[in-house]
Amino acid sequence: SQKIEQNSEALNIQEGKTATLTCNYTNYSPAYLQWYRQDPGRGPVFLLLIRENEKEKRKERLKVTFDTTLKQSLFHITASQPADSATYLCALVKNSGYSTLTFGKGTMLLVSP
Amino acid sequence: NAGVMQNPRHLVRRRGQEARLRCSPMKGHSHVYWYRQLPEEGLKFMVYLQKENIIDESGMPKERFSAEFPKEGPSILRIQQVVRGDSAAYFCASSPPGGAAGGNQPQHFGDGTRLSIL
Repeated sequence: SQKIEQNSEALNIQEGKTATLTCNYTNYSPAYLQWYRQDPGRGPVFLLLIRENEKEKRKERLKVTFDTTLKQSLFHITASQPADSATYLCALVKNSGYSTLTFGKGTMLLVSP
Repeated sequence: NAGVMQNPRHLVRRRGQEARLRCSPMKGHSHVYWYRQLPEEGLKFMVYLQKENIIDESGMPKERFSAEFPKEGPSILRIQQVVRGDSAAYFCASSPPGGAAGGNQPQHFGDGTRLSIL
């Protein structure tokens, strides 16, 4: 079965710096990879989706890369703000005809002023 | 435009009782997914439903758990004879009809039901 690894240790950075979060997977290469944000006591909120044939996707201060050779996705937040503090989840979709998501455990990001 | 609504937000049950968790998807969404999140664990897929049909229940325990998404009304996740190990946060998500390529649709999550078993 698919195994997804996200750094279990919290990432602490200073406001204004770029945060980089890692998602590694084993086994099959997913058709899609999605990133979500989850705040304490709330449900995940969708941020970005990237397809297996895309190398990079951007949305405002967010950037996602997808390297199928390394089996890795990187999630970047530029000019980070304290409001970006949350847990970020990586989720994989097995193939294009499939809808269910396999989630990693998430990485907590703490942005200090 | 209301998001995914889950109720109750918190549910306390004693061992052996039944728990019913409700989920109303976003307007226009016909796909519903249920996930379970244990402390320090990731979200685990349980079941995927479309109106009146269970599409994939591979993540749901074979006993005591059932789910439905009727033609009218919310989706229900039902847990019979609850045990302490059922304590978790249960999240529902919905997505619009996406044809065969469902994986390219973001899922919209509710804020979950926190189930505590005494």
